Amino acid sequence: RKEVEQDPGPFNVPEGATVAFNCTYSNSASQSFFWYRQDCRKEPKLLMSVYSSGNEDGRFTAQLNRASQYISLLIRDSKLSDSATYLCVIRGGAAGNKLTFGGGTRVLVKP
Amino acid sequence: GAVVSQHPSWVICKSGTSVKIECRSLDFQATTMFWYRQFPKQSLMLMATSNEGSKATYEQGVEKDKFLINHASLTLSTLTVTSAHPEDSSFYICSGGGPLGNTEAFFGQGTRLTVV
Repeated sequence: RKEVEQDPGPFNVPEGATVAFNCTYSNSASQSFFWYRQDCRKEPKLLMSVYSSGNEDGRFTAQLNRASQYISLLIRDSKLSDSATYLCVIRGGAAGNKLTFGGGTRVLVKP
Repeated sequence: GAVVSQHPSWVICKSGTSVKIECRSLDFQATTMFWYRQFPKQSLMLMATSNEGSKATYEQGVEKDKFLINHASLTLSTLTVTSAHPEDSSFYICSGGGPLGNTEAFFGQGTRLTVV
């Protein structure tokens, strides 16, 4: 089983709609959780950290469920510019201080 | 946020030659930097951890003699792909984090290497 798993998608989303997807992790000792966004042929960029209490940044909401070992990302009022691959990234656990990346979830927002 | 600058952004080289990729932390001191490789439609895979003033730590399956890492200063880490082969063609990305490595990572712009 992979340490970090994501649905690869693509999630085809009408502009203005809401989309949500999860990322599961296998190591309960994982400590820090992040969502990164990666555009085609570009480097990943931090979208938001994920806190135990859940957090929101504009149209983006992230949740952490430690009991079930997953994090989620919800995007409201999707924009065309939200089209990207969203990477679930975890620090801690088996990899120690290193980051472990999920395979990414591709989101395509269409007019 | 912290800035990491990676150079070159793309390079094409002939089989058998070596290519050096530089990664600089512009506004913080990076005792540790990480080098990743990403093949098309796949996620980032950690290749090695670059430690300032000491030897790099390589992940399992990564040949240390082929991927030479030098981290001679707190702001510069280099990755040299030696005797490059077409199968080394990939997207190479470096990253640096906070001083204790307990913050989010900041990535360089990546280097797209094509070996012909």
